[in-house]
Amino acid sequence: GEDVEQSLFLSVREGDSSVINCTYTDSSSTYLYWYKQEPGAGLQLLTYIFSNMDMKQDQRLTVLLNKKDKHLSLRIADTQTGDSAIYFCAESREGGSTLGRLYFGRGTQLTVWP
Amino acid sequence: DARVTQTPRHKVTEMGQEVTMRCQPILGHNTVFWYRQTMMQGLELLAYFRNRAPLDDSGMPKDRFSAEMPDATLATLKIQPSEPRDSAVYFCASGLGRGVNTEAFFGQGTRLTVV
Repeated sequence: GEDVEQSLFLSVREGDSSVINCTYTDSSSTYLYWYKQEPGAGLQLLTYIFSNMDMKQDQRLTVLLNKKDKHLSLRIADTQTGDSAIYFCAESREGGSTLGRLYFGRGTQLTVWP
Repeated sequence: DARVTQTPRHKVTEMGQEVTMRCQPILGHNTVFWYRQTMMQGLELLAYFRNRAPLDDSGMPKDRFSAEMPDATLATLKIQPSEPRDSAVYFCASGLGRGVNTEAFFGQGTRLTVV
């Protein structure tokens, strides 16, 4: 199976909250990331969480990590049409504060309806 | 505004031709990645370098792909000969190997079409 799994599609109405879920398999994950990809563009880091944390909030974004269940979620409050994009969950397994390869999920296409 | 620069942005080539993609990492970054994105496989790591030395190129078909860093400001990914199944978007990313910030910064990608 895949190392990192995400649902492929999510549709929400403008102003609602969006929750994108991700599960991963490797218990040695050190950092977990959420990237955003707009059409024709590269990946932009939205936020990341260290594996010894269970929550991180950054303006409209809330990341929740359940390490026991290997489940990560990204909540976007007051979702806007400009949030429509593909969101990728990724994990790193390098120890310490080391940037190593990232293992990506397939991405969740978020569509926000006006 | 520091960014990863990839050239060309788009490339259409015929099967059998050589393709070279270039990446200029952000100045000072010592870790460089090459990823390939397709609808079928998603994002796959092809190779990555730290301090210009290859750390992992197990994701790269060795018979036709090669990745190098001639110097700290340039990474190249070469395909020879190219095949239609190589059609994909190729991303370069760079970051610092160590430190509090472990972000990988992505370039805009090279969209390769092999006909």
